[in-house]
Amino acid sequence: DTEVTQTPKHLVMGMTNKKSLKCEQHMGHRAMYWYKQKAKKPPELMFVYSYEKLSINESVPSRFSPECPNSSLLNLHLHALQPEDSALYLCASSEPRRGDYGYTFGSGTRLTVV
Amino acid sequence: SQQGEEDPQALSIQEGENATMNCSYKTSINNLQWYRQNSGRGLVHLILIRSNEREKHSGRLRVTLDTSKKSSSLLITASRAADTASYFCATGPSGYSTLTFGKGTMLLVSP
Repeated sequence: DTEVTQTPKHLVMGMTNKKSLKCEQHMGHRAMYWYKQKAKKPPELMFVYSYEKLSINESVPSRFSPECPNSSLLNLHLHALQPEDSALYLCASSEPRRGDYGYTFGSGTRLTVV
Repeated sequence: SQQGEEDPQALSIQEGENATMNCSYKTSINNLQWYRQNSGRGLVHLILIRSNEREKHSGRLRVTLDTSKKSSSLLITASRAADTASYFCATGPSGYSTLTFGKGTMLLVSP
């Protein structure tokens, strides 16, 4: 299995809702990432988990809360989001011991905050 | 923070022509990677070139790296309509595997 699976593909939520984005990979990769991408912009790193520990938080607001329950799963919990948080949220994985490896990305979750 | 800067921002060509995209970066790197993104989808890893390599080929793709100028180029030969996508360079900094993406080039290949 060489895929990263993200669910849901689309999500519309109100500013008072709580929702979660899910990401799963079965490639044995020990690093997983959340990126945020606005239209016509490059992906921007949000969080990095390495060996199931949060290793990088790029000053992301606390309304975004990541969780790594095990080496195959990565969640992003959303609460009290703002309309400007509407974006494509991408999950990726890689093998951190292989710095010369590319990342494998999921297809993303298109999030709209209303 | 963004590291790579692609040029041009947009490129429109006919099928069969070659497409060249350039990327410049600012700090020392371990490797440089190129990704393709079809509209609204995830990114697909195309090719990786290490800092001690100067040129690499993969199918219709040719990547060059000039570390003295901190620049790279991606050449797609004999382009096809299916190559229409955004292309991003991404740098892997020395000693760490986190990627930083450039602004991207939007390539349109017309039949």
